[in-house]
Amino acid sequence: QVQLVQSGAEVKKPGASVKVSCKASGYSFNTYDMMWARQATGQGLEWMGWMNPGNGNTGYAQRFQGRVTMTRSAPISTAYMELSGLTSEDTAVYYCATYEYPYGMHVWGRGTTVTVSS
Amino acid sequence: QSALTQPASVSGSPGQSITVSCTGTSSDVGKYNLVSWYQHHPGLAPRVIIYEGTKRPSGVSNRFSGSMSDNTASLTISGLQAEDEADYHCCSYAGNTSWVFGGGTKLTVL
Repeated sequence: QVQLVQSGAEVKKPGASVKVSCKASGYSFNTYDMMWARQATGQGLEWMGWMNPGNGNTGYAQRFQGRVTMTRSAPISTAYMELSGLTSEDTAVYYCATYEYPYGMHVWGRGTTVTVSS
Repeated sequence: QSALTQPASVSGSPGQSITVSCTGTSSDVGKYNLVSWYQHHPGLAPRVIIYEGTKRPSGVSNRFSGSMSDNTASLTISGLQAEDEADYHCCSYAGNTSWVFGGGTKLTVL
């Protein structure tokens, strides 16, 4: 079945960068766009951006423009989300999810906790 | 892009029905028929329960239903069960290949 396995928890210092991976299995990696979202404690989900694994095209939420980069390695069916210039406000659980029009984000990873602390 | 507006919490007793609203604008919810709802049990992966505002993926109980009116989408859960206790998030396409979520609603089954 379609499955997304995310990398483990990270602890980073303010100003650092973090790169979260999302390994896909159970389907052809190019079939679905990959979305990224995050959820801070006590807050709702926040959409960060999307990537087309086939051609690498991306689109980012305006508030993350210039700070987020979404890439992939097709041979290992893995998507990456890198966020730079971390502050304590970036402490959150980060999720990847496959997207297929019009079905929405139909498979999600279990999340990667990123903690930013000095 | 501002987050969609959801109530922070709702509650109901087993067997009852509850409705969660999701209010956006004429630039997102009101413009595109692409609202989806996600059920999220803490510690687990979220799962889609409604897409295109009113449609259920296969395998999702028919106790879950969605509706749309102007700039507001709604999720109704009928015949509440203990297992329905979770967070519920709405999401809408907002144009220019961007998406926006709501603030999430915590459902408590009394």
